[in-house]
Amino acid sequence: KNQVEQSPQSLIILEGKNCTLQCNYTVSPFSNLRWYKQDTGRGPVSLTIMTFSENTKSNGRYTATLDADTKQSSLHITASQLSDSASYICVVSPYSGSARQLTFGSGTQLTVLP
Amino acid sequence: DTAVSQTPKYLVTQMGNDKSIKCEQNLGHDTMYWYKQDSKKFLKIMFSYNNKELIINETVPNRFSPKSPDKAHLNLHINSLELGDSAVYFCASSPSGVAGLSLSEQFFGPGTRLTVL
Repeated sequence: KNQVEQSPQSLIILEGKNCTLQCNYTVSPFSNLRWYKQDTGRGPVSLTIMTFSENTKSNGRYTATLDADTKQSSLHITASQLSDSASYICVVSPYSGSARQLTFGSGTQLTVLP
Repeated sequence: DTAVSQTPKYLVTQMGNDKSIKCEQNLGHDTMYWYKQDSKKFLKIMFSYNNKELIINETVPNRFSPKSPDKAHLNLHINSLELGDSAVYFCASSPSGVAGLSLSEQFFGPGTRLTVL
C-alpha cells in the first residue's frame, strides 16, 4: 500500500469554480509535504512546500493546508482557470530528508471545462 | 532559458536495443536525479548524483547505468531494453545535496517517453 494516497483520482469542474484535492499519508516521522502541478507531457512543477510545523501555505490561487496530527493535506484551488487542468501530485518527505525516501502520490487529474 | 532539458522527448525502440537519454541543467544545481513515472503515474526515484558522485542508487536493474560527466549533466544509458522499461523518464535537479533536501525544491525536465516494442 502506497504511503501517500490522493483523492479523488480525477475531477472535472467548470471554469471559475473552486475545488479541493486531498492527500492522506502514513509516512512517519514526517519532515515536509509538497504539492506539484504536472501539465500533460511536462515535468512536475512545485506549487508549495510545507514543513510539519506549518498549517497553511498559499501560492496565488493555490492554498495548501496541512494537519500533521491526522496526516492529511489538502490543496484548494480558487476561481479555477482552464490552465489549471493538470495532474496535482502530493509528495511527502520523511524526517531524514533523503531523496531516496520521497514518496509520491499518484496524483489527482483535474479537468477545468469552459 | 534556464531550465532542465532532456533529449530525446520521445524514444521508440525494439526490445533488446541499447539507448541513452541525456539531461542537462543550467541552473547551477549540485544535485541531479533520474525518476521513472509508470503507467499509474507514480514517480519513483532511480538515481541521484551530487557533484558528479552517485549518492542514491535504488533497486533498478543493472541494465540501467547513469553517467555524470560534470555536475550539469546526467545521462541515463539502458542496455537490452525490455517491454517493462516503457515509461516516462524524468530528470530533475535541486540546489543542495541530499542532506539539505528537506526543503530544497526539485526542478524537473519535460520527460522522455520511452516505448519498447
